[in-house]
Amino acid sequence: DGGITQSPKYLFRKEGQNVTLSCEQNLNHDAMYWYRQDPGQGLRLIYYSQIVNDFQKGDIAEGYSVSREKKESFPLTVTSAQKNPTAFYLCASSIGTGHKSGANVLTFGAGSRLTVL
Amino acid sequence: GENVEQHPSTLSVQEGDSAVIKCTYSDSASNYFPWYKQELGKRPQLIIDIRSNVGEKKDQRIAVTLNKTAKHFSLHITETQPEDSAVYFCAASIGMIKAAGNKLTFGGGTRVLVKP
Repeated sequence: DGGITQSPKYLFRKEGQNVTLSCEQNLNHDAMYWYRQDPGQGLRLIYYSQIVNDFQKGDIAEGYSVSREKKESFPLTVTSAQKNPTAFYLCASSIGTGHKSGANVLTFGAGSRLTVL
Repeated sequence: GENVEQHPSTLSVQEGDSAVIKCTYSDSASNYFPWYKQELGKRPQLIIDIRSNVGEKKDQRIAVTLNKTAKHFSLHITETQPEDSAVYFCAASIGMIKAAGNKLTFGGGTRVLVKP
C-alpha cells in the first residue's frame, strides 16, 4: 500500500527504554525522511537522508538516531534522551534531489504511534 | 532556518462555499511550495504544488497563489464538498538546490470542516 511501510503501527514504551521504528520503501527512492506529528504543530523534521550511508539532522533531532545502511530502509530509534517521545511518527520518501520531475514530492507511510507509559 | 506559519488553524465552511488557507515563510531562498492533505486516519498526500517562477497554479477546484515579495502563499478551494474535510498542510523548501535536498518545513496545519 503506497510503497512505503512503517511498523509497528502502535508501540508502547516504558520510560528509559529505547525503541526503534521501522521504515521500508520499495519505490527506489533516494531520499527518506522522518517527521514527528503533534496536534497543532504540523509535521516537524527529525532526520533526513539523501543517499545511503548519509543522513542529516532536521529541526528536532535531539533524542533520536537513524541509520541508512540500505536504500530501502531508514529506521528511527527514539532514545531515552528524548524528553517527550509520545507522538505520531511519519516516514516519507522522495525520488531525490536535483531537477528531476517530481523529485520533491513526498510519499508518506501510514505512521507509527508511540506512547510512553 | 525556514519558518512557516499557517492560518487559520481551523476553518468551518458551508458546502459549496470557498475556503482559503494562508501561509507565510521566512527564507527568501525557498522556491518550492507544496500543499498536503491528510484525511482522518490517513497519510498526508500531495494535492498541489507551486514553484517560485510561477505566481498561480490551478487544478480543478484547487488553486495556489504565491507572492514572493511578501513571502506568502495561499490555497483556495472553490465549491467545497464534504470530501474536502481534512487537515491541510503547507510547506516550503529550497527544493532545487542539491545540497539542501528536499528539506521541507511544514506549517502547523489547518483543519477544514465542510458542513453539508
